[in-house]
Amino acid sequence: KQEVTQIPAALSVPEGENLVLNCSFTDSAIYNLQWFRQDPGKGLTSLLLIQSSQREQTSGRLNASLDKSSGRSTLYIAASQPGDSATYLCAVGGSNYKLTFGKGTLLTVNP
Amino acid sequence: ETGVTQSPTHLIKTRGQQVTLRCSSQSGHNTVSWYQQALGQGPQFIFQYYREEENGRGNFPPRFSGLQFPNYSSELNVNALELDDSALYLCASSAASGRTYNEQFFGPGTRLTVL
Repeated sequence: KQEVTQIPAALSVPEGENLVLNCSFTDSAIYNLQWFRQDPGKGLTSLLLIQSSQREQTSGRLNASLDKSSGRSTLYIAASQPGDSATYLCAVGGSNYKLTFGKGTLLTVNP
Repeated sequence: ETGVTQSPTHLIKTRGQQVTLRCSSQSGHNTVSWYQQALGQGPQFIFQYYREEENGRGNFPPRFSGLQFPNYSSELNVNALELDDSALYLCASSAASGRTYNEQFFGPGTRLTVL
C-alpha cells in the first residue's frame, strides 16, 4: 500500500526566503507525481506534474524534483511571497490511476 | 476553456439522509475521479469513472456510489449518511489516453456537513 509523507507539517518563513518542501513515498512503482496548492476551504490547484521518467519540472519560481529510486520529491520555492501562503500537497499516481496524497505542508510567508 | 465545476458549494444534511453531489469535467476530459478530504488530512480516493464505467475504487463502503454521463459529467451519491461523512468532496478530471497518466485538475469542492 502506497504511503506518502510530507515534512515539515508546517513552515513559517520571512518574505524573500528560498524554501524546500519534502515529500517521500514508500512504493517506487509510480507513474507520476503531482504537487498541488490548496487555499483554506478551497479546491486544489495543480502546480507541477512530473512523469516517472522525468527528474524535475520548473514553473516560474517553482522547481520540483523526483528521485524514484529513493522515493523522494522536493518542491523548491524561490523568493517566497506572502501570496505563496497555503497548504502544499504532494500526490503520487499509481497503476490504478488514483492519486495517493500526503497530509500537506502548511506554509506561511510573513511580510 | 471551462475548468472543473462542482455543485452545490455547501450542503447540510442529517444522519441517515442521502446526498447527491455533481461535477462537470473540464472540456476535453473523459475521466472523473472523486476524493474525500477530512479536515487537516490529504484527500482520499473514492472512485474513478472512465467512459461511464467505474475504473477503480478506494476503501469506501458501497453506500458511496457514482455515475458518469455521456457528456463526462459525474455524480457522487452517498446513502445513509454518517457523521464521519462530513468532509470536503473533491472532483478531478483528466484526459486519459491509453497508459498515459495525464495531469488531474480539481474542482472547488463541495463542503458536506452531517449533523
